[in-house]
Amino acid sequence: GENVEQHPSTLSVQEGDSAVIKCTYSDSASNYFPWYKQELGKGPQLIIDIRSNVGEKKDQRIAVTLNKTAKHFSLHITETQPEDSAVYFCAASRANAGKSTFGDGTTLTVKP
Amino acid sequence: EPEVTQTPSHQVTQMGQEVILRCVPISNHLYFYWYRQILGQKVEFLVSFYNNEISEKSEIFDDQFSVERPDGSNFTLKIRSTKLEDSAMYFCASSLEQGNTGELFFGEGSRLTVL
Repeated sequence: GENVEQHPSTLSVQEGDSAVIKCTYSDSASNYFPWYKQELGKGPQLIIDIRSNVGEKKDQRIAVTLNKTAKHFSLHITETQPEDSAVYFCAASRANAGKSTFGDGTTLTVKP
Repeated sequence: EPEVTQTPSHQVTQMGQEVILRCVPISNHLYFYWYRQILGQKVEFLVSFYNNEISEKSEIFDDQFSVERPDGSNFTLKIRSTKLEDSAMYFCASSLEQGNTGELFFGEGSRLTVL
């Protein structure tokens, strides 16, 4: 089955700096890669996703890159703000599959 | 904005008791899921449900677990005889489509504590 590894497990940055979180996956058939933000006591919320037919996607301060050959994808947050502090999860899934395999999560702390 | 709602938010039960966790998915969604998250760990897939039947389940989803959609709006997860290791946050999710076209919308979770 699919295995998703995520690094780092914790990340602390100063407000205004960039943050990068990286994930690798094992199943070459996976072709959908969402990123979720989980705030304390809440469920994961999709913040950005990328499909295997593109290499990069950007939404304001958030961007995701995908390297299908190397089977890794990354989340980039620029100009970080304290409200970006949360746990971030990457995930991978196949077409027509209900199951998403999650990474272990990264606890991001943005210091004011 | 439509959302997935879950009840109860927290349930405490004794080992061996039956527990039912309830979810109301987004009304026009077709695919329904349960995930769980043991404290401090990753989110793990339990089961997916479509067209009134299980479409996929993980090895965690053994005979102690069952799901049903009894009335066209609720989606429930039943744990027949709870164990200590069932203590976790259980998230319901729904999507309009499946796989790489289907954004998952998660509820806020039901925390289950088994004593």
